[in-house]
Amino acid sequence: EERLVESGGGLVRPGGSLRLSCVASGFIFKNAWMHWVRQAPGRGLEWVGRIKSKLDGETTGFAAPVKDRFTISRDDSQNTVYLEMNNLKNDDSAVYYCARDLPSCGGECPFDLWGQGALVTVSS
Amino acid sequence: SYVLTQPLSVSVAPGQTAKITCGGSNFGTKGVHWYQQKPGQAPVLVVFEDEDRPSGISERFSGSKSANTATLTISRVEAGDGADYYCQVWDSNRDYPVIFGGGTKLTVL
Repeated sequence: EERLVESGGGLVRPGGSLRLSCVASGFIFKNAWMHWVRQAPGRGLEWVGRIKSKLDGETTGFAAPVKDRFTISRDDSQNTVYLEMNNLKNDDSAVYYCARDLPSCGGECPFDLWGQGALVTVSS
Repeated sequence: SYVLTQPLSVSVAPGQTAKITCGGSNFGTKGVHWYQQKPGQAPVLVVFEDEDRPSGISERFSGSKSANTATLTISRVEAGDGADYYCQVWDSNRDYPVIFGGGTKLTVL
């Protein structure tokens, strides 16, 4: 069974840092382009960023609100993608989902596999 | 940045057909994808590239698109279809390349 499991969420003070992990299983992780999507309480979905496969250069991209504060990395030996969040703000409070590009899509793909999410609360 | 507009809510009786719209400014070649999200759960892809269904998704879910409106149609609606539905596209804007609509709450009466 294909699966994504996030961990690392919690309560952090404004200005603080947090690292989320997403462990994949059931598919060939090294080929997958992976994304992070967040959802503030009672709100809609917001794309955070993406990392391509190593074969495609491990290039990352981010939405404007998190650019220069968040980074994404991956460890294919551990089937894990990470979201490093720095200088956190109250507005970053949300459930953070990792998600996979639809395999063999080749470009601007939908997200066909999602984790259960990790809750991040930024508050003093 | 590119904006996708969805109605806040749609209500439908069991067995009827629900249509959820997603308005955009000239979709052109943008593929529209649809997600279903039930309370407390992660989103699930139900339609991609305007009209294709992932494996395992009921054929009751279908999609269509015109120049400025994409539509998710759910036929023979069941109680379990009650959820939030989001449309999504990719845009050429480097600051916001992935756009989600605001979401539509489908209520099964």
